[in-house]
Amino acid sequence: DVKVTQSSRYLVKRTGEKVFLECVQDMDHENMFWYRQDPGLGLRLIYFSYDVKMKEKGDIPEGYSVSREKKERFSLILESASTSQTSMYLCASSSPSGGGTEAFFGQGTRLTVV
Amino acid sequence: RKEVEQDPGPFNVPEGATVAFNCTYSNSASQSFFWYRQDCRKEPKLLMSVYSSGNEDGRFTAQLNRASQYISLLIRDSKLSDSATYLCVVILNSGGYQKVTFGTGTKLQVIP
Repeated sequence: DVKVTQSSRYLVKRTGEKVFLECVQDMDHENMFWYRQDPGLGLRLIYFSYDVKMKEKGDIPEGYSVSREKKERFSLILESASTSQTSMYLCASSSPSGGGTEAFFGQGTRLTVV
Repeated sequence: RKEVEQDPGPFNVPEGATVAFNCTYSNSASQSFFWYRQDCRKEPKLLMSVYSSGNEDGRFTAQLNRASQYISLLIRDSKLSDSATYLCVVILNSGGYQKVTFGTGTKLQVIP
């Protein structure tokens, strides 16, 4: 059974804190993604990675950074959390083989910044 | 222009109705297309792929129109359990990696 695991389901952090969101997949997928989902705005791509140590900015990278030191792990970092970053964060992974395959999602991390 | 656009809805339809959603995409080089379903407070899950020739899975039919750059999802004989948000997904393969872009989702509420 394929699996994408996010380290926390719920997090509450204070403004200005450095926040780490971890995502691990066990499918040996090359591609990994971080999205945030907000009411009325849908899923928005923050960053993605297509290989170890490789990263690409998505549509809303400001205020975030990422790290991919190992193939199975993709971390999202909020350098200095702000209340505008309160959101649901979803990690996904996929493989580019065959020209486009299913993306598998983690269960999401609901982050509240106070 | 957004890369992928959907009507957010909500679509409120009675049981048994037929409902259709459209999704437009801006990059003509996009290569793969999918529909995902997301239930309240859950992660999105794959509903079906979308092929150029159109494809059907039970009550669900997906179509792709490359010339007009849109994909569609048709649900026949709606069930209460179809209530969810439906997200279209467009994949662009570029330089050996994939960029996966989601639409904002269309909310469907099937009413008894």
